[in-house]
Amino acid sequence: GQQVMQIPQYQHVQEGEDFTTYCNSSTTLSNIQWYKQRPGGHPVFLIQLVKSGEVKKQKRLTFQFGEAKKNSSLHITATQTTDVGTYFCARGSGGSNYKLTFGKGTLLTVNP
Amino acid sequence: GAVVSQHPSWVICKSGTSVKIECRSLDFQATTMFWYRQFPKQSLMLMATSNEGSKATYEQGVEKDKFLINHASLTLSTLTVTSAHPEDSSFYICSARDRFSPGQETQYFGPGTRLLVL
Repeated sequence: GQQVMQIPQYQHVQEGEDFTTYCNSSTTLSNIQWYKQRPGGHPVFLIQLVKSGEVKKQKRLTFQFGEAKKNSSLHITATQTTDVGTYFCARGSGGSNYKLTFGKGTLLTVNP
Repeated sequence: GAVVSQHPSWVICKSGTSVKIECRSLDFQATTMFWYRQFPKQSLMLMATSNEGSKATYEQGVEKDKFLINHASLTLSTLTVTSAHPEDSSFYICSARDRFSPGQETQYFGPGTRLLVL
């Protein structure tokens, strides 16, 4: 399937600082999903974005879908140590043969 | 709701043996389940899509005779790694889609199985 490019690969912040990870595609996305994987754990679904320009918030997390539906971002305000983990975006293929293609992820570490 | 379990959570085996991993949707029916493999510090790579009552669809480069998938019911899919070798050591994760939520396209992930082949 079509790849999604995710940057940065790693991000280390001080607790209280903000964090953003970006997901980009060369082709239009039917939808984009975000997952969080804690160290040693499994991916946990965070959100799905479908509409052009969509913005969704979950407490300190803000998810955006670009107007052209080719990019997305996840922003965390005032990071906490509990935010540590790898954040993956994943594009859905849509249609009857549905599957997800994951980006390489951004590993976030937070210094207390 | 939407809980997916995997068994075993970890397994160590000798080279040449076969290992079976179970994936169960506990509180929903899943006509489609997915099997992923994740190497350390890497992303999830889809291996195959498991369809209830029919043959699995394998991704390019994944040997179907080595990674046998059976989806015998709406709540159970199994992955058997046949004649395992050290290079098969990895974190195997399954996911499932809720049969009655086709519009959501959300996949619920199991806790994963860590396989170490000696």
